[in-house]
Amino acid sequence: GENVEQHPSTLSVQEGDSAVIKCTYSDSASNYFPWYKQELGKGPQLIIDIRSNVGEKKDQRIAVTLNKTAKHFSLHITETQPEDSAVYFCAAPYNTNAGKSTFGDGTTLTVKP
Amino acid sequence: DAGVTQSPTHLIKTRGQHVTLRCSPISGHKSVSWYQQVLGQGPQFIFQYYEKEERGRGNFPDRFSARQFPNYSSELNVNALLLGDSALYLCASSLVSEKLFFGSGTQLSVL
Repeated sequence: GENVEQHPSTLSVQEGDSAVIKCTYSDSASNYFPWYKQELGKGPQLIIDIRSNVGEKKDQRIAVTLNKTAKHFSLHITETQPEDSAVYFCAAPYNTNAGKSTFGDGTTLTVKP
Repeated sequence: DAGVTQSPTHLIKTRGQHVTLRCSPISGHKSVSWYQQVLGQGPQFIFQYYEKEERGRGNFPDRFSARQFPNYSSELNVNALLLGDSALYLCASSLVSEKLFFGSGTQLSVL
């Protein structure tokens, strides 16, 4: 099965700074890489995803980059705001099926005003 | 449009009891997956159902079972509850094999 490692486990930044979270995966056949945001009392919410034929994808202040050779992908949040404070998870699918995914252990991001 | 709905939101059981958790996917979504999330960890895959058939099972004991109904809603059943089954149980639906949409989960406490 897939093995996913996520770093760091906690991250604290000042409002307006950038935050970067990195994940590594083991299955070279994986081709879909999502990032989820989980707020207290809620389920994870998909915030951005990337497919293996693309190296980078941006959506306003968030971006994801993928390095298939090194088998890692990263979440970048620019101009952080207090409402970005949450737990962020990366995931990689079993056999390209995201319904069967391995998740990282999460990164708790705190944005200080 | 309604998102993924799960019931109940909270549940307290004692060891040895049985529990049934319910999930209604987003309208039009035929795939439902169940995940267990222990505090401080990422969700762990339990089951996936697509068109009422099991499409995958994670590393969970046979005490865990699930099914999907003709309207694509799903139930997760856990028998002979153990203290270690205490967790947030998440249901996710998807239209195709990507883009999971999660419900808010059922918080299960086993005493």
